[in-house]
Amino acid sequence: GAVVSQHPSWVICKSGTSVKIECRSLDFQATTMFWYRQFPKQSLMLMATSNEGSKATYEQGVEKDKFLINHASLTLSTLTVTSAHPEDSSFYICSARESRAPSYGYTFGSGTRLTVV
Amino acid sequence: AQKITQTQPGMFVQEKEAVTLDCTYDTSDPSYGLFWYKQPSSGEMIFLIYQGSYDQQNATEGRYSLNFQKARKSANLVISASQLGDSAMYFCAMREGYQAGTALIFGKGTTLSVSS
Repeated sequence: GAVVSQHPSWVICKSGTSVKIECRSLDFQATTMFWYRQFPKQSLMLMATSNEGSKATYEQGVEKDKFLINHASLTLSTLTVTSAHPEDSSFYICSARESRAPSYGYTFGSGTRLTVV
Repeated sequence: AQKITQTQPGMFVQEKEAVTLDCTYDTSDPSYGLFWYKQPSSGEMIFLIYQGSYDQQNATEGRYSLNFQKARKSANLVISASQLGDSAMYFCAMREGYQAGTALIFGKGTTLSVSS
């Protein structure tokens, strides 16, 4: 089945530094990748949609200069949190759109817990 | 207006009992899909069940069934014979249309606690 590998699973960084999160589709081509953010006990909020080879589309209220998304290949999409601050601490999870996936087209990464200290 | 509404922040059920988690949705698109996911404390999203807007029958997957009432715009998840391992957060989600670039929209979730 379709698998999305997300790394790292967790990361602790100092305030002001940048953190990169990778999502890699292992056995299929992910033409579209979605990035979500989830605060504890809350819903998954869509941050942005990225398509291979083009600029990401950000949801209203999401700072595109702070959350840099790159989808340079059909198997890799990255989210970089620049100049991270404690309020950026959250759970970030990616989801790839693939028509052959058994879960009707959406495959999720395992998520990344970011803690900014 | 919210696209997906889950009105139960928390539900409690005893082992072996059935439980229904509520979900209502709002869309004007005739083509849509409804999903239920389980999220344990590890954070992974586990796909449970899917219902397409044109599906005539309610979806079932093992102990999970989806009570799809199109006119009421509801898609409740029924878990039969609850197990301790069912304790987790459950999300209802919707995809509007079938275009490749369509993201899932999630409800606020329901925390299910199963006791022995």
